[in-house]
Amino acid sequence: GNSVTQMEGPVTLSEEAFLTINCTYTATGYPSLFWYVQYPGEGLQLLLKATKADDKGSNKGFEATYRKETTSFHLEKGSVQVSDSAVYFCALSDRGGSQGNLIFGKGTKLSVKP
Amino acid sequence: KAGVTQTPRYLIKTRGQQVTLSCSPISGHRSVSWYQQTPGQGLQFLFEYFSETQRNKGNFPGRFSGRQFSNSRSEMNVSTLELGDSALYLCASSLRGADLGETQYFGPGTRLLVL
Repeated sequence: GNSVTQMEGPVTLSEEAFLTINCTYTATGYPSLFWYVQYPGEGLQLLLKATKADDKGSNKGFEATYRKETTSFHLEKGSVQVSDSAVYFCALSDRGGSQGNLIFGKGTKLSVKP
Repeated sequence: KAGVTQTPRYLIKTRGQQVTLSCSPISGHRSVSWYQQTPGQGLQFLFEYFSETQRNKGNFPGRFSGRQFSNSRSEMNVSTLELGDSALYLCASSLRGADLGETQYFGPGTRLLVL
């Protein structure tokens, strides 16, 4: 079945450090890939998405490239800020499949210190 | 455009009771999905409704049910509450459904505590 594996947290970085959160997936079809972010006490917000191989999603300085050959969708940011502290979820939806829902990784908690 | 709204935001119930949660999708969105979020299990899919029909269902017991109305608003119901049902319940909407590669937009969630 389809699944998403992302690196365990928590991740603690200093402000302006480089961020990478690894995400790999298993899918039977042609998935779309997503990164969602959850701030304390809130729901999920879409951060970025990619719908086909080699697509790069980007938003607010975050980037992720859909790599079919390595089944990965790693999240990166060149210089994190304190306001980036949140939980990040990698997710997939399998287009044309019968699931019709998002499958999430376990989430990675990021803390950025000033 | 208003986002996804969920009511109530917080709820406290006791074991054995039942509860109904409500979700209003983004205007024009016809697909509504429900997810349960717990520290132990993470985010798990409950069910999806499209045009008043349940189109997909996750691996939850029959105590969890839902429905969708003609205006796309959705409710989920949990009967005979158990302590393990304590969770954040998230509703998400999209135009036609996640299986088309569409983005799902999430509401703020309803936090349910079962005592």
